[in-house]
Amino acid sequence: AQKVTQAQTEISVVEKEDVTLDCVYETRDTTYYLFWYKQPPSGELVFLIRRNSFDEQNEISGRYSWNFQKSTSSFNFTITASQVVDSAVYFCALSPSYNNNDMRFGAGTRLTVKP
Amino acid sequence: GAVVSQHPSRVICKSGTSVKIECRSLDFQATTMFWYRQFPKQSLMLMATSNEGSKATYEQGVEKDKFLINHASLTLSTLTVTSAHPEDSSFYICSARDRGRPVYGYTFGSGTRLTVV
Repeated sequence: AQKVTQAQTEISVVEKEDVTLDCVYETRDTTYYLFWYKQPPSGELVFLIRRNSFDEQNEISGRYSWNFQKSTSSFNFTITASQVVDSAVYFCALSPSYNNNDMRFGAGTRLTVKP
Repeated sequence: GAVVSQHPSRVICKSGTSVKIECRSLDFQATTMFWYRQFPKQSLMLMATSNEGSKATYEQGVEKDKFLINHASLTLSTLTVTSAHPEDSSFYICSARDRGRPVYGYTFGSGTRLTVV
């Protein structure tokens, strides 16, 4: 069975603070993909990153960085120097490599960045 | 990049009527499209998977006679909520997988907010 847990329901920070969104997953598959999506108030899902289970290198993209720790089944997402525009719901998701149909989403973390 | 257009973005309908939601892949062919439902402040729940030219596969607990899915072409899938009731009010969002990039392609539409009164 697959499961994605985002324990933080809501996080509130002040602009320019760094914030980390946690994601812990469970899977019996040896290969899988992990994703992060951003859902702003308008509702659309914005793709942020896809990580293959074979690739444990951390990734940085501007103010965004991701820490993939296979040993702890975690795929955490850090926003550095947060901005008001970062306010959104962020979803972590998991799918087996052999069957991309079966994408499971975490419950989401609502991030509010205050000016 | 890949774009998925979803219409309408918002719809209000009377109880007992049917509503059709369209999901189109604009610049790629989508062999597979997915329909999700999201209740307020909750996560996305997969409702069904539609494959072009074949019947949709519904997740457990989703009534296929109520949520009719048609995937008649490689660029269009429709979800029809039949005999809608207030409890069907929700945010429906589709996604499409790029046939040319099956490993990468999950592009989501902008969603449809359905309100049944």
